[in-house]
Parts: sequence; C-alpha cells; structure tokens
Amino acid sequence: DSGVTQTPKHLITATGQRVTLRCSPRSGDLSVYWYQQSLDQGLQFLIQYYNGEERAKGNILERFSAQQFPDLHSELNLSSLELGDSALYFCASSVDIGGTYEQYFGPGTRLTVT
Amino acid sequence: DQQVKQNSPSLSVQEGRISILNCDYTNSMFDYFLWYKKYPAEGPTFLISISSIKDKNEDGRFTVFLNKSAKHLSLHIVPSQPGDSAVYFCAASVNGNKLVFGAGTILRVKS
Repeated sequence: DSGVTQTPKHLITATGQRVTLRCSPRSGDLSVYWYQQSLDQGLQFLIQYYNGEERAKGNILERFSAQQFPDLHSELNLSSLELGDSALYFCASSVDIGGTYEQYFGPGTRLTVT
Repeated sequence: DQQVKQNSPSLSVQEGRISILNCDYTNSMFDYFLWYKKYPAEGPTFLISISSIKDKNEDGRFTVFLNKSAKHLSLHIVPSQPGDSAVYFCAASVNGNKLVFGAGTILRVKS
C-alpha cells in the first residue's frame, strides 16, 4: 500500500460525457502527478501540481484539466470523452524535499469510454 | 521521441540466478533515475533510485548501476525470486519534475 488513494477504481461512461477522477496523496506529500497508461503505450505524464499550484504540464489534452485543493487532494477532469480516452489513469505523489524525487503511485482508475 | 528506452520487452530467468534489466536514455539533462515494478491491476511500486552524481546504489537484493557516459542504467536482482515476476519500468527526471518512463520489461522468474 503506497498510501496514495484513487477513486473510483473503475468508470464506464459514454462518448461525449465528462468524468472526474480523484486522488489523495500520501500524508505529507505536496506534489501530485497524473499519468495516463493506454493499452499500446507506456505511462505518459499529464500534469503536476505542487501545493496547489500547477508546476509542470505534459501531453495533456485541452479537454482535460486538473486542480489541487487546499487539503492537497487532486481531481482530474476529463470532458467530451472519446473512445481513445479509455485508459488507466494513475495519480502519484512525492514529498520533493532534499533532492529525493521518488513518486508513489495509487492503484489507478480504469476508464472505459463506450 | 523516446527519451527512455527499454529494448528488451521480456526476460526469463531461473529462480536463484541474477536478473539484469537494462535501460538507455538520450536526454543528458536527466539527473535522477528510478526503477518501478508493476503487477497487473496495480499501480507501479517504487523499487530503487539513483542520482546522476552516483554510479551505484544498492538496496537488499536490488542494485542499480548508472553509466553516464554511455547513458545507460541497469537493475540487478540477486537472487531472483518467483515473486519478482512483474513488469519493470525504468524512469528518469530532470530536477525531480515529470517522470519519463520506458516501455517496460516483463520479467518472469521460473521456479
């Protein structure tokens, strides 16, 4: 158990819909990262938040957005969903102190768009 | 643009022997490298990391070696156990920002 929690575990929805994925980081971790893992691809970085502020952006689509709240949990919003958005979405957290950058991953949310 | 490459999709090793997983990178700005293990239906689990100022880091049965001149790192598992069977991902970062992952290597340890 990494200490990172993600809800829901599974999500099935239709094209054109909007969903919200939730992540709670490990206690004390200020950074939250979102990754996407599609069937034919490895883990792709989407976005990072640090203590409520966006810190880095990867190949995140404009239809996707995220935020980190004062209690440090984060939400990833996916809108106008397409079949190709079906994937595993992982959240990770890290403390980012003292030059150690290990990220700890949650169990993921499996999104299926039909 | 694959900045981190794991060229072996799979590796099969006998229990008790050494497993060596390899990773190459192209971005010379990477200064932190990590190995993750992933079981099906679970998130990646952090195994071991190494800073670019070191060339070796050891943690129990796991040792990571970094060769900066060759832009190559490897993970050694000695002795290999059946429970080590999983997908292993190499990852790299610049200043602790986003991780860039390799495609992964499936390790099978046969008993």
